Amino acid sequence: SQTIHQWPATLVQPVGSPLSLECTVEGTSNPNLYWYRQAAGRGLQLLFYSVGIGQISSEVPQNLSASRPQDRQFILSSKKLLLSDSGFYLCAWSVILYQETQYFGPGTRLLVL
Amino acid sequence: TQLLEQSPQFLSIQEGENLTVYCNSSSVFSSLQWYRQEPGEGPVLLVTVVTGGEVKKLKRLTFQFGDARKDSSLHITAAQPGDTGLYLCAGDTGNQFYFGTGTSLTVIP
Repeated sequence: SQTIHQWPATLVQPVGSPLSLECTVEGTSNPNLYWYRQAAGRGLQLLFYSVGIGQISSEVPQNLSASRPQDRQFILSSKKLLLSDSGFYLCAWSVILYQETQYFGPGTRLLVL
Repeated sequence: TQLLEQSPQFLSIQEGENLTVYCNSSSVFSSLQWYRQEPGEGPVLLVTVVTGGEVKKLKRLTFQFGDARKDSSLHITAAQPGDTGLYLCAGDTGNQFYFGTGTSLTVIP
């Protein structure tokens, strides 16, 4: 069966510090990978998606970047965090890009102070 | 603007009551999913509907996909405190995937 991991689970960072969130998927090959941000109690905003190693598409302009160094590894980064980067970050994978079901990781709660 | 609008945004009911959550759009979707999310966790898939007019039942939960594949509803019968959470609809248009605005449900014992 497939599983998806995210770490860390919680992160408190000062403004201006760098960020690296990691997501890994097990039990599947060549998954489509996604990074979302979620405001408290609200829907999800798609930040990035990737169809393969080194292939990243950005949905919205922002202070963040993403990378996919390995088939089942997706990393969300920032060089200098802003207060507005605080939120709940979710990684997800799917078999077919944008179609049918996406499976989510447990999420990372980021607080920028 | 959101492609998928959910209503109500917040819902607080007593245990044992029935409720319906709506997910509406002006766009046609190839399929639509419902997820439930508990605080601090990722969304968990409840159901996928793909055929216009389709009705799926999952114990006390009934999901319906509109005939025109533009909207969906989730009906919960005899709600229980364990049903508390954020309910998200999501749909794919074939080349894009959208999440709804979310409905936060609280079931009071």
